[in-house]
Amino acid sequence: QKEVEQDPGPLSVPEGAIVSLNCTYSNSAFQYFMWYRQYSRKGPELLMYTYSSGNKEDGRFTAQVDKSSKYISLFIRDSQPSDSATYLCAFSTNAGKSTFGDGTTLTVKP
Amino acid sequence: GAVVSQHPSWVICKSGTSVKIECRSLDFQATTMFWYRQFPKQSLMLMATSNEGSKATYEQGVEKDKFLINHASLTLSTLTVTSAHPEDSSFYICSARAGQAGNTEAFFGQGTRLTVV
Repeated sequence: QKEVEQDPGPLSVPEGAIVSLNCTYSNSAFQYFMWYRQYSRKGPELLMYTYSSGNKEDGRFTAQVDKSSKYISLFIRDSQPSDSATYLCAFSTNAGKSTFGDGTTLTVKP
Repeated sequence: GAVVSQHPSWVICKSGTSVKIECRSLDFQATTMFWYRQFPKQSLMLMATSNEGSKATYEQGVEKDKFLINHASLTLSTLTVTSAHPEDSSFYICSARAGQAGNTEAFFGQGTRLTVV
């Protein structure tokens, strides 16, 4: 079993839709939870970073962590065509090494 | 966020030659740097972790003699792909963090697309 499972997608939504991206994990040592956005042929860009269960909001993005269920989500409100990218969930232990999901490719159609 | 610069952004080399990729943290001191490889439509696979002034720690299955990592200063790490072959063609990405613990954000470079012909 993989340590991280990410909904594979691809996901295609109309502009303005609410997008939900999800990952599950099995390693209880994961203490830090991240979401990255990666445009084609570019390095990942950190979107959200959290370490506790609950919600964290930043603009149109909300990261949700449920440690008891080992489940994290990223919600994008009022999605825009510029949000079209691959989204990667990532997890770190206290030792600092990150493990990434396989990514979900999102297309927001105008 | 902090800036990590990776150079070159793309390189084409002949089979059997070596290629060096640089990763620089421009506005912070990177205690730890990570090197990843990403094949098309796949996620990032960690190759090695390097701490400034010490030898890199390689992940299982990564040949340390083929992928030479140097982290001689707090702002620069290099990855050298020695005797490159077509199967080494991939997208190589570095990330850098100021601390060693997981509660320090890691910032990524732009990536280097290596094509070996």
